[in-house]
Amino acid sequence: GENVEQHPSTLSVQEGDSAVIKCTYSDSASNYFPWYKQELGKRPQLIIDIRSNVGEKKDQRIAVTLNKTAKHFSLHITETQPEDSAVYFCAAEVDSGYALNFGKGTSLLVTP
Amino acid sequence: DAGVTQSPTHLIKTRGQQVTLRCSPISGHKSVSWYQQVLGQGPQFIFQYYEKEERGRGNFPDRFSARQFPNYSSELNVNALLLGDSALYLCASSRSDITGISSPLHFGNGTRLTVT
Repeated sequence: GENVEQHPSTLSVQEGDSAVIKCTYSDSASNYFPWYKQELGKRPQLIIDIRSNVGEKKDQRIAVTLNKTAKHFSLHITETQPEDSAVYFCAAEVDSGYALNFGKGTSLLVTP
Repeated sequence: DAGVTQSPTHLIKTRGQQVTLRCSPISGHKSVSWYQQVLGQGPQFIFQYYEKEERGRGNFPDRFSARQFPNYSSELNVNALLLGDSALYLCASSRSDITGISSPLHFGNGTRLTVT
């Protein structure tokens, strides 16, 4: 199947710093790219998503950028807070939108 | 406003047994998807159902099956359980069969299945 590669697998930053997580995808037909946050023992929660006709989207401290030509997209978190600590998953739409392919996740730790 | 609900929350089964997991979507959502999440990995797509019809199937053996009922709730069945089936099984709902900006996936808390 089509793959979504996600890096880094772990990321440790100090409170107030920025965090960047990068993903690449292989299915050139993918047009929708959501990001999910999963805290320990909890459900994945959608934090931001972007469609391929948009290059960048921002929601307060969170932004996503997309380079469709290069097939990569990134999550940017500014002014990180300890409550941002969680596992973050990127995903790309596949099978004409019937499914999402997820990356393996990035474990983000924000230390006070 | 209730989110996606799944039952049971935890389940322990023995190899070779069969299991049924249940999911109720968010009110107004007609699509239900099932994902398997192995520890330390991202969710992996199993099925999508929309209006009681299977719209997509991931790379899982025929031991996995699902169905959707007229009230849009869904069941996932796994036969002849293997140790490797131990995972968190996530159900997600959305408004339409095509996932996108206007119809994102909303996940439930999952069912933790342990096969011994």
